[in-house]
Amino acid sequence: SSELTQPPSVSVSPGQTARITCSGDALPKQYGYWYQQKPGQAPVLVIYKDTERPSGIPERFSGSRSGTTVTLTISGVQAEDEADYYCQSADTSGTYPVFGGGTKLTVL
Amino acid sequence: EVQLVESGGGLVKPGGSLRLSCATSGFTFSNAWMNWVRQAPGKGLEWVGRIKSKPVGGAIDYAAPVKGRFTISRDDSKNAVFLQMNSLKTEDTAVYYCSTGGGIVGFDFWGQGTLVTVSS
Repeated sequence: SSELTQPPSVSVSPGQTARITCSGDALPKQYGYWYQQKPGQAPVLVIYKDTERPSGIPERFSGSRSGTTVTLTISGVQAEDEADYYCQSADTSGTYPVFGGGTKLTVL
Repeated sequence: EVQLVESGGGLVKPGGSLRLSCATSGFTFSNAWMNWVRQAPGKGLEWVGRIKSKPVGGAIDYAAPVKGRFTISRDDSKNAVFLQMNSLKTEDTAVYYCSTGGGIVGFDFWGQGTLVTVSS
């Protein structure tokens, strides 16, 4: 299966740590990626190759993996981090990219 | 600065056709893999298809829902990628984004998107 499963929503208070999980059978064989999308804007890559952070992305964003699950961690959440977050990987062959359903992060 | 600018969206009737363009600048286009990703209103992201760079063979792949109806092409002399959409269905209604990458580095740059509405 190439499906990726994310929780629909996560809520945290400012300054706390947010963790968003993404599960899929192909994840042990394929890298995980994370995108942040704010309303009316295009997605922005925040984590690639499971744990790497693109230039310009704050250090409070980090990624990890364990088995069939990849996790996006946002430490010291700020109000500006409120957004939809999408994980992405590929099917087991690595040919076809696939996105998770998205998680809405609410900063209380 | 990397820039991707989509154009060509609009309202089209079911069964109709539309051609989207994505003009780019700020990077070596001829070496870039280019993708189309769409987002239906209020829904998540869906990969549509990809065209690899000519140096690695230029292969084109499509997602199952659009295979046989959509065609991706590129013009390296104009730094542009295109999406020809035929036999459009109401479920093709979405914002269509072009993006670079899609391989090991992820979808690293995105355009602002262009809205396609398929409705009678």
